[in-house]
Amino acid sequence: AQKVTQAQTEISVVEKEDVTLDCVYETRDTTYYLFWYKQPPSGELVFLIRRNSFDEQNEISGRYSWNFQKSTSSFNFTITASQVVDSAVYFCALSEAVRNYGGSQGNLIFGKGTKLSVKP
Amino acid sequence: NAGVTQTPKFQVLKTGQSMTLQCAQDMNHNSMYWYRQDPGMGLRLIYYSASEGTTDKGEVPNGYNVSRLNKREFSLRLESAAPSQTSVYFCASSISFRANYGYTFGSGTRLTVV
Repeated sequence: AQKVTQAQTEISVVEKEDVTLDCVYETRDTTYYLFWYKQPPSGELVFLIRRNSFDEQNEISGRYSWNFQKSTSSFNFTITASQVVDSAVYFCALSEAVRNYGGSQGNLIFGKGTKLSVKP
Repeated sequence: NAGVTQTPKFQVLKTGQSMTLQCAQDMNHNSMYWYRQDPGMGLRLIYYSASEGTTDKGEVPNGYNVSRLNKREFSLRLESAAPSQTSVYFCASSISFRANYGYTFGSGTRLTVV
C-alpha cells in the first residue's frame, strides 16, 4: 500500500535561515507522482510542484528546491533564506498509476503535514 | 476563474442534524473528491467520483453520502451529524481519475458539530 511520511510535525526557524522539510514515501508501483502543497494560515491548499518517478532531476524555483531520491524513497523540500510569508503547513503527497476503478488506488495520498513557523 | 467553489465556508450543527456541503468546479474536470482535514491527521479521502455518474468510497466514508449531480457538481451529505465529524472539509477536482496532475482544491468548509 502507498504511504507518505512527514516525520517533522513542526519546525521553527528564524527568518533567512534555510530549512528542509522531509518526505518519505512507500509504493510498490514503478510509475508514480509526487507533489508538495502549501497551506498558509488562510487555509487554502496551494499546489507547489509535481514530479514523476522517472525524473530524478532536482528542481529549483526561486528560493524553493526539491530533492528527489528514488534510492531512499524521499522527496525533500528546501526553502532557502526563509521568510515570514513561508509560514504554513506543507504537505507531501503521492499518487500511483491507476490500474482499476474502485478503491483508492490512483488517488492522492497525503502525509500528515509539517507546520513551518518562520519568525522575524 | 473561480476554480473549485465550496459552500458554505463555515457551519455549526447540532448532533443529529443533517446538512449538505456543496462543491462546484468550472474547469471541465472529470474527477472530483471530498477530503477531511483533522489536526495531526493530514487530509483523508472520504469519497470520490472518478467521472460523472460514478462514486466510490475513500479511506473514511462512514457517516457520509455523496452525489455527483452533474459534471460540475459533487455534494457531500451528513445525514446525522456527530461531534467526530467536526473537521475542515475540502473538495477537489482533477482532469482525470489519474491523479498525475494533482488536484485543484476549494477553499474549505469549517464544520463544527456540537
